[in-house]
Amino acid sequence: KQEVTQIPAALSVPEGENLVLNCSFTDSAIYNLQWFRQDPGKGLTSLLLIQSSQREQTSGRLNASLDKSSGRSTLYIAASQPGDSATYLCAVPGANNLFFGTGTRLTVIP
Amino acid sequence: EAGVAQSPRYKIIEKRQSVAFWCNPISGHATLYWYQQILGQGPKLLIQFQNNGVVDDSQLPKDRFSAERLKGVDSTLKIQPAKLEDSAVYLCASSLTDGAYEQYFGPGTRLTVT
Repeated sequence: KQEVTQIPAALSVPEGENLVLNCSFTDSAIYNLQWFRQDPGKGLTSLLLIQSSQREQTSGRLNASLDKSSGRSTLYIAASQPGDSATYLCAVPGANNLFFGTGTRLTVIP
Repeated sequence: EAGVAQSPRYKIIEKRQSVAFWCNPISGHATLYWYQQILGQGPKLLIQFQNNGVVDDSQLPKDRFSAERLKGVDSTLKIQPAKLEDSAVYLCASSLTDGAYEQYFGPGTRLTVT
């Protein structure tokens, strides 16, 4: 069974810093990997989806990379802002569902 | 394009009561998912529909949870009777089809069972 792990569980950084969130998965036979953002009490907003044939995807200040062979993905956030404060979740598809990590709770301090 | 709609957004009930949640997926999306997210955890799949048929309900506690997707569009998830451990956010998601396609999530329904 696929297991997804995210490190660290929580992270606090001062505004303006660049930061990296980590995601690892045990079964490398994946179609894609998705990064989500979740604000407190809210649903999930898709940030980036990386297909298994790709190595990275970029959207604005966000860059996600994928290394299938090592079972790892990273989400790089450049020039962090207080509005980036949220929980970030990564997920990989199984046969019929998404397997989620437990998330990294990010706080950007003004 | 309208996103996934869910209602209600919040619900507080006493244990042993019943509750129902509603989801309207993105137009044209054949696949619909219900997830349960307990505080501090990632979402866990409860049930997946492809059109109006169930693809996977292996994680659904069938003694108290039920779900249906009439006409392959809207879906309802019901809990009867509720237990304290059912307190969670219930997320609905949809995708064009299953497997490799991107899933889009609704805002969720936060259920508190007292």
